[in-house]
Amino acid sequence: DQQVKQNSPSLSVQEGRISILNCDYTNSMFDYFLWYKKYPAEGPTFLISISSIKDKNEDGRFTVFLNKSAKHLSLHIVPSQPGDSAVYFCAARGGSEKLVFGKGTKLTVNP
Amino acid sequence: EAGVAQSPRYKIIEKRQSVAFWCNPISGHATLYWYQQILGQGPKLLIQFQNNGVVDDSQLPKDRFSAERLKGVDSTLKIQPAKLEDSAVYLCASSLAGKTQYFGPGTRLTVL
Repeated sequence: DQQVKQNSPSLSVQEGRISILNCDYTNSMFDYFLWYKKYPAEGPTFLISISSIKDKNEDGRFTVFLNKSAKHLSLHIVPSQPGDSAVYFCAARGGSEKLVFGKGTKLTVNP
Repeated sequence: EAGVAQSPRYKIIEKRQSVAFWCNPISGHATLYWYQQILGQGPKLLIQFQNNGVVDDSQLPKDRFSAERLKGVDSTLKIQPAKLEDSAVYLCASSLAGKTQYFGPGTRLTVL
């Protein structure tokens, strides 16, 4: 039973364009959502988060949007840079500190 | 500020052997987590410690996996005996209570 789903295993975009990574969840108890970025042979690195009381959070080139009614969140990267090429994991938690992760989306930004 | 440290980075063993992983969290972080990440999957929580007490070990296969966090700082995760399906990256993370989890580089385990 996958509670956090990232349905796109991979995404390829051109440098300077927008990257949009999507995530869906099924558990309505989730109230906090995070995005992590992972380079090969490294651990996941925290990128940005959003509480369920908000619908948008922005940090530089990264913006996360939350649609609670659709149980959907997305990460926008504008403009995309080659250094953004990595695997992006969506994670959620609710009522405890336990994080539930999606399977990840591999982003490739082409120069 | 030093990050989460883990060792070894890589380990290759044969099935039925035992193996242990070590984690040193960020200084001052009371909460420590061990995750298992199988290839193509997201990390899955195995066990969570608050200081040296277990908060959640519901997904830890207790017949073969064990973990401890003596003195509320370093932690070790042990597998005995290992199975082929234990091949994965084992990630340690730490956090201040209720705050962002910071991950170490992981230990890649291969069971032959």
